[in-house]
Amino acid sequence: RKEVEQDPGPFNVPEGATVAFNCTYSNSASQSFFWYRQDCRKEPKLLMSVYSSGNEDGRFTAQLNRASQYISLLIRDSKLSDSATYLCVVNRGAGNKLTFGGGTRVLVKP
Amino acid sequence: EAGVTQSPTHLIKTRGQQATLRCSPISGHTSVYWYQQALGLGLQFLLWYDEGEERNRGNFPPRFSGRQFPNYSSELNVNALELEDSALYLCASSSPAGGLSEQYFGPGTRLTVT
Repeated sequence: RKEVEQDPGPFNVPEGATVAFNCTYSNSASQSFFWYRQDCRKEPKLLMSVYSSGNEDGRFTAQLNRASQYISLLIRDSKLSDSATYLCVVNRGAGNKLTFGGGTRVLVKP
Repeated sequence: EAGVTQSPTHLIKTRGQQATLRCSPISGHTSVYWYQQALGLGLQFLLWYDEGEERNRGNFPPRFSGRQFPNYSSELNVNALELEDSALYLCASSSPAGGLSEQYFGPGTRLTVT
């Protein structure tokens, strides 16, 4: 079983719609969580950190469920520019090593 | 503020040769990380350097090595190149916040081994 698992998608989303997807992690000792965005053939860029209380940044909302060991990302009012691969990232703290999920591809269409 | 920079952008080598990749972190960041992203695969952690020391390494053979210089820039060396080493190599940096810092990535070096 992979340490961080994501549905690869693609999620085909009409412009203006809401899309949500999850990521599960296997190591209960994981301490910090992030969502990164990666455009085709570009470097990953930090989208947002995920806090235990959940957090929102504009149209993006991230949630953490430690009991069930998953994090989620919700995108409201999807824009064409939201089309990208969203990477779930977990840091166990020990060794400061980020473990990346395989990514969820989102395609926003007019 | 300048982001993480990497050089070269592209590198073409033949099997058996050595490759050297370079990374400059964001100013004020002391930790540098190296990742490999092979085609169709996710990012795989390679190495973490902090304050000039190797702090952690991923499941890669010893021919992947590196170092961090006093100015916090870093070098990744890959010896005895194999075809499967062809990948995008990403460098990231983080600030000295201790352990759980957010990492910021450079644009990567695309290594092709023929």
